[in-house]
Formats: sequence, structure tokens, C-alpha cells
Amino acid sequence: QKEVEQDPGPLSVPEGAIVSLNCTYSNSAFQYFMWYRQYSRKGPELLMYTYSSGNKEDGRFTAQVDKSSKYISLFIRDSQPSDSATYLCAMSDHYNYGQNFVFGPGTRLSVLP
Amino acid sequence: NAGVMQNPRHLVRRRGQEARLRCSPMKGHSHVYWYRQLPEEGLKFMVYLQKENIIDESGMPKERFSAEFPKEGPSILRIQQVVRGDSAAYFCASSPSTGGPGELFFGEGSRLTVL
Repeated sequence: QKEVEQDPGPLSVPEGAIVSLNCTYSNSAFQYFMWYRQYSRKGPELLMYTYSSGNKEDGRFTAQVDKSSKYISLFIRDSQPSDSATYLCAMSDHYNYGQNFVFGPGTRLSVLP
Repeated sequence: NAGVMQNPRHLVRRRGQEARLRCSPMKGHSHVYWYRQLPEEGLKFMVYLQKENIIDESGMPKERFSAEFPKEGPSILRIQQVVRGDSAAYFCASSPSTGGPGELFFGEGSRLTVL
């Protein structure tokens, strides 16, 4: 079992749809949960991060963490063609140790106009 | 404020040659991380450096790979005697000394193709 698993995709949705992207993990020590967006041929850019369980909202994006189920989600409301990208979840057991980040393989999302 | 700069963006090497990838961190950032991304796989940590020091190289293969971050100039990831399996995208990220998850910034990557 991989340490972090992610819905493989690819995922295609019509513009305006609600998108749900999900990751599961096995290491209960993870406390910091990140979502990165990666456009084709570009580097990952951080969308959101959360600490421990709970929800966090930023505009059209909501991150949700359920530590008891070892499951995290990213919801995108009113999806736009510009949201078309690969979404990577990442997790860490330390606040500022980038070497401890464990990334999922990514889910490719296409939002069709 | 320029972001993390990586070069070359694309590099083609034949088996047995050497590849050198360079990374200039964001201004004010003193921590550099290198990651490798294979197709359909997540980013894998390779090495973490501060100026003139390798802090953690636990993710780097023991042979053929080395990294440095000199007092002056960019960080360099060096791959000697490349093999086809080294073909991947290599990303550099930087953070300030007190950075947390929200302060790790990635470059656009260097894509290595080994023929």
C-alpha cells in the first residue's frame, strides 16, 4: 500500500460543476495537509493547506480533512476551464520540513467550457 | 520578486553522459529542496540543502547523484553516467528559514530526457 493514494483520474467535468478530489493516506502521524495545483509543464503551486482535521475555505476552494478516516478532499465550486490542471495532495508530519512532504500521484482535471 | 529559477528547462543526454541541473532560490530563501517527478507518480523528495550544507539526502540515490548549494551561486543537482531511468522532471523548491507548508515555492522544473 502506498503511503498516499489519490483518485487516479483523469476527470472531465462541464464548466460550473462541483469537483471533488480525494486522497487517502496510511501514516497517522501526518498533521499538515496541502493541495497543490500543477499546470502542464509547470511547477506545483500551493492552493491551500490545513492543520489537523476540519475544513478550510478559500474562495471557490474548500479543503476537508478527516484524520479518523485518513481521508482528505478538495472541493472546487463553480469550476472554470482555468481550473484544468493536475491536483496533487501532499502531507507532512512537521510544519517546516519540506523533506517530510509526501505527495500523491495527482489527479488530472479537465473543465470543459 | 523573481520566483524559483531553474535551468535548463529541458535537457537531453545520451546514456553515460552527465546532467547538471541548476536552481536559484527565491530572494531571501536559504533552504533548497530537490524533488523528482516520474510520469504518473507524485513528487519524490531527493535532497534538502542550506548554504554550503547538505541537511538531508535520504531520498537521493547513493550512486551517481550529488547535490550542492555553494555560498555563492545556484544549487546544483548533478547526475553522472545517466541511464534511461533518470528521465524525469526535476523540481527545485525553496523556503525561508522559518518557512512552513505555505512557504515552500517550486520552480518550473527541469525535464531530463536520456536517450
